[in-house]
Amino acid sequence: EDQVTQSPEALRLQEGESSSLNCSYTVSGLRGLFWYRQDPGKGPEFLFTLYSAGEEKEKERLKATLTKKESFLHITAPKPEDSATYLCAVRSFRNTGKLIFGQGTTLQVKP
Amino acid sequence: EAGVTQSPTHLIKTRGQQATLRCSPISGHTSVYWYQQALGLGLQFLLWYDEGEERNRGNFPPRFSGRQFPNYSSELNVNALELEDSALYLCASSRGGLLNNEQFFGPGTRLTVL
Repeated sequence: EDQVTQSPEALRLQEGESSSLNCSYTVSGLRGLFWYRQDPGKGPEFLFTLYSAGEEKEKERLKATLTKKESFLHITAPKPEDSATYLCAVRSFRNTGKLIFGQGTTLQVKP
Repeated sequence: EAGVTQSPTHLIKTRGQQATLRCSPISGHTSVYWYQQALGLGLQFLLWYDEGEERNRGNFPPRFSGRQFPNYSSELNVNALELEDSALYLCASSRGGLLNNEQFFGPGTRLTVL
């Protein structure tokens, strides 16, 4: 069964303190791994798509990497405005349209 | 470019009533997806529509249904509402065919069942 597990559930950082969020996945034929950011009460905002092991994508202070079993979202020198829940999702080649989401990591960055 | 829009923002119903939620996809997108985000349960896939056809549905009872219109907008209907249907309902859209990988989400409709 396709599955996504994110850790930690919650992360508190001081402004400028870099860290990484983990997403472990099991999927029968990875079509894509996706990272989203979600602010409270709002819809998820698309960040990155990763397709194959070794791939990396960057956007401002965020960098996403992918291996055959997990993905990391590295946050460099975070700012308070980076506080949000970060969601990881996978889609399989069975093309059911379905994204399978992890439970998310809630990041709080204190000034 | 306008994003995915959803209406209403909030909806309050009582048990047994029906709810109708609406979604307009990004211009040029032909696929629409519906997800339920209940407290503590994460995002759960509900339905996928592409080119007016239902392509897949998640593990939800038949009282969750919907349709996609010729202009690619979509409607989610929930009949015989139960208390546990209270959740944020999210609509997403993507390009059709082989380009249909990234899904872009709307702001959601918060459904409260009393």
